[in-house]
Amino acid sequence: DVKVTQSSRYLVKRTGEKVFLECVQDMDHENMFWYRQDPGLGLRLIYFSYDVKMKEKGDIPEGYSVSREKKERFSLILESASTNQTSMYLCASLRRNTDTQYFGPGTRLTVL
Amino acid sequence: QQQVKQSPQSLIVQKGGISIINCAYENTAFDYFPWYQQFPGKGPALLIAIRPDVSEKKEGRFTISFNKSAKQFSLHIMDSQPGDSATYFCAASNTNAGKSTFGDGTTLTVKP
Repeated sequence: DVKVTQSSRYLVKRTGEKVFLECVQDMDHENMFWYRQDPGLGLRLIYFSYDVKMKEKGDIPEGYSVSREKKERFSLILESASTNQTSMYLCASLRRNTDTQYFGPGTRLTVL
Repeated sequence: QQQVKQSPQSLIVQKGGISIINCAYENTAFDYFPWYQQFPGKGPALLIAIRPDVSEKKEGRFTISFNKSAKQFSLHIMDSQPGDSATYFCAASNTNAGKSTFGDGTTLTVKP
């Protein structure tokens, strides 16, 4: 079974802090994604990566950056957390030229 | 610009009833239409998917109906059970693009 793990299930940070969310997949998938999930807004794509050191902006990249130094790991960085970044963050991975995304359990981030 | 519109936002069905969730898309380049199911505290997981060369796909109590000319597809859950209570997301993707666009989600509650 594909396994996508996220470093924290719950995280509480203060405004202005730098926040790192880590995601690791164990199936050698090329593509990885970061989404945020908010009630009534579905899953919105923040950034995705289709290879090591490659990244592309999604629909809502403002206030976020990403890092992919190794194929299995994709990190989401909030340089200076703000209260409007309080949300559920989901990581997913996908094997190239296939269609099914595999999601991690999510990190619920609260910014105070 | 929302490329996948999902309705209703929430749905309450009695046990044994039929649950129907609808989605509409705009981009005719989409070639894969999955439905994901998400239980509280979990990430979304693939439930069932269809490609536009067929009009219907059935897996157990779950059926996707697809109308290519209308650019619409729907999920039907027959004999709905309380264990089906979850959030359902439709999505659309182009395999070559390597990413998906998600609907806003439908929260289904099946009352015993």
